[in-house]
Amino acid sequence: DQQVKQNSPSLSVQEGRISILNCDYTNSMFDYFLWYKKYPAEGPTFLISISSIKDKNEDGRFTVFLNKSAKHLSLHIVPSQPGDSAVYFCAASTLEGNDMRFGAGTRLTVKP
Amino acid sequence: NAGVTQTPKFQVLKTGQSMTLQCAQDMNHNSMYWYRQDPGMGLRLIYYSASEGTTDKGEVPNGYNVSRLNKREFSLRLESAAPSQTSVYFCASSDPYKNRVRGYGYTFGSGTRLTVV
Repeated sequence: DQQVKQNSPSLSVQEGRISILNCDYTNSMFDYFLWYKKYPAEGPTFLISISSIKDKNEDGRFTVFLNKSAKHLSLHIVPSQPGDSAVYFCAASTLEGNDMRFGAGTRLTVKP
Repeated sequence: NAGVTQTPKFQVLKTGQSMTLQCAQDMNHNSMYWYRQDPGMGLRLIYYSASEGTTDKGEVPNGYNVSRLNKREFSLRLESAAPSQTSVYFCASSDPYKNRVRGYGYTFGSGTRLTVV
């Protein structure tokens, strides 16, 4: 069973606009959430994370929001740039930390 | 600073053949992982090693074996390859507690693309 779900396989936005990527999870034991970015023929690279004790974490153009009651998190990219075009994976782990589960990914295309 | 190094980058196997995927990290991380990536499935955990000398099953361990040779190296072995094991395999490493405190994630290698015909 997929404990982390990304229901949008793809998203296309215009350069300079906001990109919003969504993720849902089912395991209430998850308490650490992350977003990874992946370019073709490369491994995923860590982008941003959030602990369950927070509802927002910001790093430059990237902001992650966590809604624990809805078991939902989202990644906002503002403003979007063509170099942001990649596959974005949502991930979650429990306190133990060695059981990170990933969503299926969302392919973001930012058009110039 | 190489990070996580995987070899080989590409491999084609015939059904029933065996092979070992190699992974090494130079970040002194305690934990290492093997994931496979398939279209529409994301990354799924095959096995992990929380520390040197220990290994544990993940979500999809069937058909695979692992060895944590030392703190740096974690290998994945396919004893009798099947077409269902055609996938891209990623090795990763982490120090989960330190990473959580600092807000970091796993560090991944660049992957091995395996085709079983």
